[in-house]
Amino acid sequence: GAGVSQSPSNKVTEKGKDVELRCDPISGHTALYWYRQSLGQGLEFLIYFQGNSAPDKSGLPSDRFSAERTGGSVSTLTIQRTQQEDSAVYLCASSSTGSEKAFFGQGTRLTVV
Amino acid sequence: GQSLEQPSEVTAVEGAIVQINCTYQTSGFYGLSWYQQHDGGAPTFLSYNALDGLEETGRFSSFLSRSDSYGYLLLQELQMKDSASYFCAVSSVGGATNKLIFGTGTLLAVQP
Repeated sequence: GAGVSQSPSNKVTEKGKDVELRCDPISGHTALYWYRQSLGQGLEFLIYFQGNSAPDKSGLPSDRFSAERTGGSVSTLTIQRTQQEDSAVYLCASSSTGSEKAFFGQGTRLTVV
Repeated sequence: GQSLEQPSEVTAVEGAIVQINCTYQTSGFYGLSWYQQHDGGAPTFLSYNALDGLEETGRFSSFLSRSDSYGYLLLQELQMKDSASYFCAVSSVGGATNKLIFGTGTLLAVQP
């Protein structure tokens, strides 16, 4: 596609429910990142995929968070048993091999009520 | 681990020059990037420095000093549309991966 696509753009869920957030990176980009951004805050690193290497999961805040990337393309971030503190904008970015320029999607705004 | 420090807010007037500083602590430093984010929008790439010195791209310039673990973004001829948050980010090599870690951001307010 022309850019990084994330879906849904907005998600309201009840506390305790599971949610899945999707990211379609730019075609051919080998690196994919997930970040979380609370209102007025910085970008908190969650997880990083690079090609076929094992993902860097060091930023995942708890074992309720997991992510996968199928076929080196689409990625899904799953949050189980959502809590109110999970409310934030979840941003996905991708970059090509050897490039330091990351392209971001518009994000998914998650609200846990 | 990694940590980056930036001023939380900067205010300047149209036509002026502003400098946003960034200091970092990281292992396996690879380079320093800058991103701009307008309110409600996605971050967009501005510049990248891997080596010491100044990189210029139009009205924006970015500087890096690896020995001082310091960089800055210089914005010249400020325009109202430059009002946004600016993030520095370090690329760090850890094991087999090279991840991008962001600072907390600087909110730039450009006044008429």
